[in-house]
Amino acid sequence: AQSVSQHNHHVILSEAASLELGCNYSYGGTVNLFWYVQYPGQHLQLLLKYFSGDPLVKGIKGFEAEFIKSKFSFNLRKPSVQWSDTAEYFCAVSLNNAGNMLTFGGGTRLMVKP
Amino acid sequence: DGGITQSPKYLFRKEGQNVTLSCEQNLNHDAMYWYRQDPGQGLRLIYYSQIVNDFQKGDIAEGYSVSREKKESFPLTVTSAQKNPTAFYLCASSKAARNYEQYFGPGTRLTVT
Repeated sequence: AQSVSQHNHHVILSEAASLELGCNYSYGGTVNLFWYVQYPGQHLQLLLKYFSGDPLVKGIKGFEAEFIKSKFSFNLRKPSVQWSDTAEYFCAVSLNNAGNMLTFGGGTRLMVKP
Repeated sequence: DGGITQSPKYLFRKEGQNVTLSCEQNLNHDAMYWYRQDPGQGLRLIYYSQIVNDFQKGDIAEGYSVSREKKESFPLTVTSAQKNPTAFYLCASSKAARNYEQYFGPGTRLTVT
């Protein structure tokens, strides 16, 4: 069975610091990759997604992620975080040949100090 | 406004009782999903349905049941057989075709004592 690992469970940064959250998955076939964010008290919402093409994906709110197939990774980055980025971030993977069922990582709680 | 609604937001039940969580979507999506969210474990798939009157077990279906009688609705019943039912439950939907993201509802927090 496929699995998704997010190695950082809790991250604390000061405003304007750069962010990189790791995500690795364990499936060797063709995958679709997602980052979702859950702001306090809000719905889980999509930050960005990768299906094919350019492995560097731009998302909302200045986030980007890079798909590195050889490393089975899809790390999330932001050059300068803001206090409003405080949230829980989830990496998720779906198999390209298996509909849209998602396997999620365990999540990373990000706290940005003002 | 198109979206997914889940009710209620908070639900409290006594151990041994079945409880049904509601999920409704007006996005005209064919596929619907139920996840359970526990701290540090991310979201785990309970059941999913790609089309009306059909549904499949996910990774942690034991102690849960679902129905899909209407395209818009996918209720989840947490039965007394579920050994650890206290959790945050999220419903999602998507187009059934490949390569579409899922859209999530606001969730229901169930506490069983």
